Amino acid sequence: GQNIDQPTEMTATEGAIVQINCTYQTSGFNGLFWYQQHAGEAPTFLSYNVLDGLEEKGRFSSFLSRSKGYSYLLLKELQMKDSASYLCAVRPLSSGSARQLTFGSGTQLTVLP
Amino acid sequence: DAGVTQSPTHLIKTRGQQVTLRCSPKSGHDTVSWYQQALGQGPQFIFQYYEEEERQRGNFPDRFSGHQFPNYSSELNVNALLLGDSALYLCASSKSAEQFFGPGTRLTVL
Repeated sequence: GQNIDQPTEMTATEGAIVQINCTYQTSGFNGLFWYQQHAGEAPTFLSYNVLDGLEEKGRFSSFLSRSKGYSYLLLKELQMKDSASYLCAVRPLSSGSARQLTFGSGTQLTVLP
Repeated sequence: DAGVTQSPTHLIKTRGQQVTLRCSPKSGHDTVSWYQQALGQGPQFIFQYYEEEERQRGNFPDRFSGHQFPNYSSELNVNALLLGDSALYLCASSKSAEQFFGPGTRLTVL
């Protein structure tokens, strides 16, 4: 099975940098995703890591270590609009050609002025 | 490009009733996945459809069933509704690794 852990809540200040960690235990691994979800809205795709290392996309970066079962999402130059839930999701190897995702419970980030 | 669309937006049912939710995938996408998201939780995978067949299923009872049509749109059916079925139901479509989510249907069971 899969077990995904991420902090429930985080608070940061506008303009700062915040790192949201995610650890996972899975019987097989086929990629890790980060999604952003504003209250009452659909999750939107942020990043996808399948190999170890850092993927950078503008103010957002995501890191993966497969040997440690660990990922983080780094948000720079925080803006008020970044207040949202950030979901870590794993695509298990057992999904085969299917593209199902197993999600963590999400980290609710609050950006303060 | 309309993206992933779902209907209805909101729905209120009573225990024991049946409900059908609908999803139209993003243009060019052939795979549709359904997720249930309870308040304060991450989405939980229900099942996935590809080429009109259920390809993968999560840990949900048989009361949850689905269908995919030749135009790739999909339906989620839930029979004998329970209070615990109250949630946001999300549809996601994909062609490759990335899944695109629809706005969801908020189901309330009274």
